[in-house]
Amino acid sequence: AQSVSQHNHHVILSEAASLELGCNYSYGGTVNLFWYVQYPGQHLQLLLKYFSGDPLVKGIKGFEAEFIKSKFSFNLRKPSVQWSDTAEYFCAVNAHTGGFKTIFGAGTRLFVKA
Amino acid sequence: DGGITQSPKYLFRKEGQNVTLSCEQNLNHDAMYWYRQDPGQGLRLIYYSQIVNDFQKGDIAEGYSVSREKKESFPLTVTSAQKNPTAFYLCASRPGQEYNEQFFGPGTRLTVL
Repeated sequence: AQSVSQHNHHVILSEAASLELGCNYSYGGTVNLFWYVQYPGQHLQLLLKYFSGDPLVKGIKGFEAEFIKSKFSFNLRKPSVQWSDTAEYFCAVNAHTGGFKTIFGAGTRLFVKA
Repeated sequence: DGGITQSPKYLFRKEGQNVTLSCEQNLNHDAMYWYRQDPGQGLRLIYYSQIVNDFQKGDIAEGYSVSREKKESFPLTVTSAQKNPTAFYLCASRPGQEYNEQFFGPGTRLTVL
């Protein structure tokens, strides 16, 4: 069965620190990959996505993610976090044989200290 | 203003009662989804529907039922058979035929007393 693994459940950083959140998935075929973010009290929203082409994808608010096919990974990065990045982050995978079904990771709660 | 609406925002019910959560979208999306969000478990798929009058079970469908009589509406009923119904429920939609991102509603927090 397909699965998505996020390595860190809770991350605490100070402002200006660099961020990397790990995401690995288990599916050998073609995938679409997503990172969603849920700010406190807000809707879950798309941060960035990978469909094809350049494996380094840039999203909103200075976030980026790199797709490494050989490692089945899609890690999220930001060079310098801000207090406003405090949120929960979800990695998600769509396997092409899965049709409309998307599998989500367990989420990572990020707290940025001002 | 296009989007997904879920009502109510908070819902309380007594054990043994069925309750229906509403989800409406005006994005003209073909596919709609219901997820359950519990702390530390991410989003787990309950049911999804790719087109009107068709839906499929997700990973945790037991104790839930859905209908898709109209493209814009996908209500979820939490039945008394659901053993642990207290949770945050999210509805989402996606344009059909492409592996695009999903758009989410604000969620309904259900508490069983």
